[in-house]
Amino acid sequence: AQKVTQAQTEISVVEKEDVTLDCVYETRDTTYYLFWYKQPPSGELVFLIRRNSFDEQNEISGRYSWNFQKSTSSFNFTITASQVVDSAVYFCALVGGGYNKLIFGAGTRLAVHP
Amino acid sequence: SAVISQKPSRDICQRGTSLTIQCQVDSQVTMMFWYRQQPGQSLTLIATANQGSEATYESGFVIDKFPISRPNLTFSTLTVSNMSPEDSSIYLCSVRREESYNEQFFGPGTRLTVL
Repeated sequence: AQKVTQAQTEISVVEKEDVTLDCVYETRDTTYYLFWYKQPPSGELVFLIRRNSFDEQNEISGRYSWNFQKSTSSFNFTITASQVVDSAVYFCALVGGGYNKLIFGAGTRLAVHP
Repeated sequence: SAVISQKPSRDICQRGTSLTIQCQVDSQVTMMFWYRQQPGQSLTLIATANQGSEATYESGFVIDKFPISRPNLTFSTLTVSNMSPEDSSIYLCSVRREESYNEQFFGPGTRLTVL
């Protein structure tokens, strides 16, 4: 069975703080893909990143960075110097290599206060 | 990325009626999906919309309640039938491009309220 766990339900920070959103996954597939999406209050789901299971290199995109560790089945997301516009629900998701279904975690609601 | 549009963007419906949601993509895609997001919850896959054949439904979802059409590689519809207040949710169309290493994108969603 495949599963994604986002243990942090809600996180509240003050602007300019760094914040890490945790994601732990379970799968028996050797090939799989991991995703992060952002859902701002407007409701649309914004694609942030996709990582395949063979690429453990960490990635940085501006203030966003992702730490993929197969040894701990984790794919954590860090926002550096958070801003109010980062306030949203963030979803981690997983799709196995041979299966079509994208499995979502429960989501983490991030509130960044001025 | 793919440009995905959905119509309507939102609707308020009466119990017992049906609503058809349309999803249009700006280019041909192999895989299209329909998701439901109940208030304050995560996304749940309803079904995979298959071009030229019946949709593949996930456990807990049935064709009589959520009939799906996919007449071509750029368009699909989801109907929510005989609605009840429990059907109040955001319904999202999603596409995956295999040629883009399985990146998956979502439409803007249809916010449905059933009274």
